[in-house]
Formats: sequence, structure tokens, C-alpha cells
Amino acid sequence: QKEVEQNSGPLSVPEGAIASLNCTYSDRGSQSFFWYRQYSGKSPELIMFIYSNGDKEDGRFTAQLNKASQYVSLLIRDSQPSDSATYLCAFRGGFKTIFGAGTRLFVKA
Amino acid sequence: DAGVIQSPRHEVTEMGQEVTLRCKPISGHNSLFWYRQTMMRGLELLIYFNNNVPIDDSGMPEDRFSAKMPNASFSTLKIQPSEPRDSAVYFCASSSAGVGLNEQFFGPGTRLTVL
Repeated sequence: QKEVEQNSGPLSVPEGAIASLNCTYSDRGSQSFFWYRQYSGKSPELIMFIYSNGDKEDGRFTAQLNKASQYVSLLIRDSQPSDSATYLCAFRGGFKTIFGAGTRLFVKA
Repeated sequence: DAGVIQSPRHEVTEMGQEVTLRCKPISGHNSLFWYRQTMMRGLELLIYFNNNVPIDDSGMPEDRFSAKMPNASFSTLKIQPSEPRDSAVYFCASSSAGVGLNEQFFGPGTRLTVL
């Protein structure tokens, strides 16, 4: 079983819609969870982190964490073409950050 | 701050040649990570250092790969001899280690092509 599971996509949504990205993880001891965005040909950049159960909102982004279900998600409201990228889910295990393979998001204008 | 600096940005070499990738972490960060990214395997952690000491190199694929961190501001990843299957983008990242959040900041990557 992979440590982090993500649907590779592509996930295609129309401009203005809500994009929902999902991730499951295997390590019940994980405390910190991250969403990184990676544009094509660029390096990953952190957009959200969460370590408490529930929702965390930052602008158009909302991260949701459910530790009992070992599930974390990212919602992007009012999706824009500029949101088209690969989104990597990650969690911290000890000193290491374990990354998922990423979900490709395409926002159609 | 200039962020994480990597060089070269692109490297094309022939099979069997030695390749050295370089990384300068963000000043003050005490953790450094080397990753490899391919379409097939995604982002793979190769090795990470804490306070210049290698903590976990279990992700290093073979003995052909080696990494060093002689001081807090410099690290190298060496492949000798290189093979076509080593072609990938290699990222270096740094962070401030400790409990809780430790955001990793990635360098721009080195795109390696082995012919």
C-alpha cells in the first residue's frame, strides 16, 4: 500500500466551479499535512497546511482533514485557469515529508 | 533571500559519464532533501540531511548515487556512472527542522538527460 494515495486525474472543471482534490494516507501517527501546487516545468510550492481535524480556509482554498478516516482534501472555489497545475498531497513522517504522486487539475476557460 | 539554488539547471550527458548536481539551501535552514521526479514514479525522496548529517538514504536507488553535505550551505548529488534511466528532474529542498510545521522550500530543479 502506498503511503499517500491520490487520483492522478486529470480533473477537469469549468472556470468558476469548485475543484475538489482528495488524498488518503497510511500513517496514523502523522500530525502535519500539506498541499503543494506544481506548475508544469516548475518546482512544487506550498499552498496549504493543516494539522487539526476540520476545515482550514485561506482565500479560495479550503483544506479539510479527517484523521479518523486518514483523509485530507483541498477545495478550490471559483476555479481559475491559472489554477491549472498538479496538486501534491503530503504528510510529515518524522523528519521526512512523504508526497503523493499528485492530481492534475485543468480549469477550462 | 534568494531561495534554494540549484545548478546546473539542465544537464545532458552520455551514458557512463559522471554527473554532479549542486544545491545551496536557504540560509538558516538545517534540513536538506534531494528528490527525483519522473512521470512514472512521481516525486521520490532520495536522501535527506539534518545539520549536515545524512539521516536517511534509503531512497538512493543504487550505489551509483552518492550525496554529500560538507557544510550548511552546500550539498552535492553525484551519479557515477550515469545511465539513461537516471533521466529525471532532480530537486533539492530545504527546511527548518523541528516539531510541527516544517515547510519545505524547493529549488528550481535540475533536468538531467542521459543519452
